[in-house]
Amino acid sequence: KNEVEQSPQNLTAQEGEFITINCSYSVGISALHWLQQHPGGGIVSLFMLSSGKKKHGRLIATINIQEKHSSLHITASHPRDSAVYICAVRRNTGNQFYFGTGTSLTVIP
Amino acid sequence: DADVTQTPRNRITKTGKRIMLECSQTKGHDRMYWYRQDPGLGLRLIYYSFDVKDINKGEISDGYSVSRQAQAKFSLSLESAIPNQTALYFCATSDTGRAEAFFGQGTRLTVV
Repeated sequence: KNEVEQSPQNLTAQEGEFITINCSYSVGISALHWLQQHPGGGIVSLFMLSSGKKKHGRLIATINIQEKHSSLHITASHPRDSAVYICAVRRNTGNQFYFGTGTSLTVIP
Repeated sequence: DADVTQTPRNRITKTGKRIMLECSQTKGHDRMYWYRQDPGLGLRLIYYSFDVKDINKGEISDGYSVSRQAQAKFSLSLESAIPNQTALYFCATSDTGRAEAFFGQGTRLTVV
């Protein structure tokens, strides 16, 4: 069983739609990351969360530590948002990272 | 310039060949990691290093070795490449006491 589970695995949306990607984890963490991987392969960190909510432009990330759950929201989605979004957690013991399998998002014009 | 640089970005090699993937960072971080990514799987940890004298195996270290030549450099070697090592490889860095991680652009390795 993976320590980090993401849903959905694949998501297709029309431009302008509100998108939610979910992440659940089963271990104690010091932080949770949302990462973006474009078709070229490179990975970019979007957010690092340890509590509450963060917003950057059209992206919003929330985390509920008690429920061990995080969500990434994209408002007014755009084709350039098409990418794989990866949830990763840093354990609070051992300091290693664990990764979800990613959510592949395609936004259609 | 990128904070974490991987070379090469793409490589095709033959079965049985030795190959080295290199990673360098300008963040001044003490911790460095090598991961591989396969379709349908999350990134999996190959090796990690918490400082120059500290090397640790990850969950899939068989067939790989690493060298931490300096705080800024962490190399991954495949001693005798095999086709199931075809994957996308990522180097990452982080700092002790800080949860943020930085990733390289990835190296796409194909073993034929």
